[in-house]
Amino acid sequence: QSALTQPPSASGSPGQSVTISCTGTNSDIGGYNFVSWYQQHPGKAPKLMIYEVSKRPSGVPDRFSGSKSGNTASLTISGLQAEDEADYYCSSYTSSNNLVFGGGTKLTVL
Amino acid sequence: QVQLQESGPGLVKPSQTLSLTCTVSGGSISSGNYYWNWIRQPAGKGLEWIGRVYSSGSTNYNPSLKSRVAISVDRSKNQFSLRLSSVTATDTAVYYCARDPRAGGYDWYAFDIWGQGTMVTVSS
Repeated sequence: QSALTQPPSASGSPGQSVTISCTGTNSDIGGYNFVSWYQQHPGKAPKLMIYEVSKRPSGVPDRFSGSKSGNTASLTISGLQAEDEADYYCSSYTSSNNLVFGGGTKLTVL
Repeated sequence: QVQLQESGPGLVKPSQTLSLTCTVSGGSISSGNYYWNWIRQPAGKGLEWIGRVYSSGSTNYNPSLKSRVAISVDRSKNQFSLRLSSVTATDTAVYYCARDPRAGGYDWYAFDIWGQGTMVTVSS
């Protein structure tokens, strides 16, 4: 069982927006602004898409955005494209000086 | 362009020690601007942070693995290494090394560059 809770699946049509949630506790997401999101295509290493809740690394399209409210973080992908189909993982720093991940969400572009 | 590359045995026997090395190219492991991490992923499952090392040699570990893990840095070879002792089948996974930037004196707690991963199977 993962420390952070994500929905196992999400879907959307090309051009639409989709939001993936990631729920933790006051000891991780709720207590720190160190939430990150990763995209992973099959057989590939994860790719950093968002860090510190809402910051985008250089090269990540602005279609990807992150936010947080209380103990829940969210990743929103607008203008869905076929290449966005992948697994998405959230991560957070914790009060026990640990880093924990969510169980992952498989995004399907219909 | 900084690149990370994992290396080590793909098969380890139960109760033995898993040893992996990550070679950093295109940049110096001693720059002081990064933490160097190990992360693993069992087949079809999610990611698990194992631990990290700073260029000074200071380390942080996942509490659930702390008793079995040691991560070290070799600045002369621009490498860092993972040792995981007393392995069982549950340690079978793809093992990734990854970089975690420090900016303005604080840590991103995020991994901006990853190796391609190496599969390690624990079996007799």
